[in-house]
Amino acid sequence: NAGVTQTPKFRILKIGQSMTLQCTQDMNHNYMYWYRQDPGMGLKLIYYSVGAGITDKGEVPNGYNVSRSTTEDFPLRLELAAPSQTSVYFCASSYSAASSYEQYFGPGTRLTVT
Amino acid sequence: GENVEQHPSTLSVQEGDSAVIKCTYSDSASNYFPWYKQELGKRPQLIIYIRSNVGEKKDQRIAVTLNKTAKHFSLHITETQPEDSAVYFCAAPDDPLSNDYKLSFGAGTTVTVRA
Repeated sequence: NAGVTQTPKFRILKIGQSMTLQCTQDMNHNYMYWYRQDPGMGLKLIYYSVGAGITDKGEVPNGYNVSRSTTEDFPLRLELAAPSQTSVYFCASSYSAASSYEQYFGPGTRLTVT
Repeated sequence: GENVEQHPSTLSVQEGDSAVIKCTYSDSASNYFPWYKQELGKRPQLIIYIRSNVGEKKDQRIAVTLNKTAKHFSLHITETQPEDSAVYFCAAPDDPLSNDYKLSFGAGTTVTVRA
């Protein structure tokens, strides 16, 4: 199993550009999450999904959108990039409600908006 | 949602000494408390968790203690080694009475083990 994979690893965007961060998991997990990590601020939840076709906002959803058309994929869309979206983005997944304490993280995408 | 506070933000220890990180939470209904370790440039990984029906859990050199009355839990690392240098995050269920399975993370503690 590859686990949770993310592309790209790094990206530089200009202000106002858009992009999609890709996330795929091959563990047949129902729950998937997108976090952003800023220095000294921990992991902030952007969006999450409890299954294909179901998504919901987390703590910091503004400026982002997601979709979940399959169990495996959970892309994160940034529209009109702003410098405040410079961060490291992690996708994660977990198998079930009973094991929701254990989230498997992808390797992260480092995004810079200038 | 749950409010998780973590202290200290940085911790420097001599190799072989112990390290202790403490987290407090706000929702008394929270029923499990995981700890994640993130090495420099790597992804966070679960290292240990404790459920609310036990007071302590150990795994080799790491242990977690839980005080439900005071609503705090702590990570203890004994006999620290250079490979313990990392950022450690505590977490708790964001909304323990719902079924949406989100975690609320603390801000992290950067642990440096000095040789």
